[in-house]
Amino acid sequence: AQSVTQLDSHVSVSEGTPVLLRCNYSSSYSPSLFWYVQHPNKGLQLLLKYTSAATLVKGINGFEAEFKKSETSFHLTKPSAHMSDAAEYFCVVSYTGTASKLTFGTGTRLQVTL
Amino acid sequence: GAVVSQHPSWVICKSGTSVKIECRSLDFQATTMFWYRQFPKQSLMLMATSNEGSKATYEQGVEKDKFLINHASLTLSTLTVTSAHPEDSSFYICSAREWVTDTQYFGPGTRLTVL
Repeated sequence: AQSVTQLDSHVSVSEGTPVLLRCNYSSSYSPSLFWYVQHPNKGLQLLLKYTSAATLVKGINGFEAEFKKSETSFHLTKPSAHMSDAAEYFCVVSYTGTASKLTFGTGTRLQVTL
Repeated sequence: GAVVSQHPSWVICKSGTSVKIECRSLDFQATTMFWYRQFPKQSLMLMATSNEGSKATYEQGVEKDKFLINHASLTLSTLTVTSAHPEDSSFYICSAREWVTDTQYFGPGTRLTVL
């Protein structure tokens, strides 16, 4: 069965320090991978997506993620955290080759402190 | 960017009544929309896939007679929770698939509370 695992339910960083949110997927096939962010009382916003093109994907707000097939990982990173980055982040996978049926990870809550 | 709206943003209803939630793609056409349910501090669970002009496809365990989905146009899908009960209280989120970018864009969600 298709699945995606977010290794940390909660991550806390200081403002200005790097962010690393970890995600692993299980698959025998080439997946499409996404990172979405959910701010309180707001809809999910697409940060970036991987669809078998370049393995290093750059997204909005300075975020990027690297697809590593050998490690079945798609970790999300940002060089310097900002207070406005505090939110819930979801790693999402699709095994249909399109954005048709998405499977969500359990989410990682990012806390940014002064 | 592509925008998806939901209405209402929150609703409180009495047990036994029905509630309709609308999902609209504002600046693109969507032949496929999706309905998700999110429990507090949990992830999103896909309930059903809504296809314009045809019947929705429900995920295993989702009662199609309880959660009625209509996708009558390329910009509107509705979810009706029939004979709602307190256990139906949840955060319902829709998304619309934009074909050019092949990306799902999500609405802001609807919080349903059944008393």
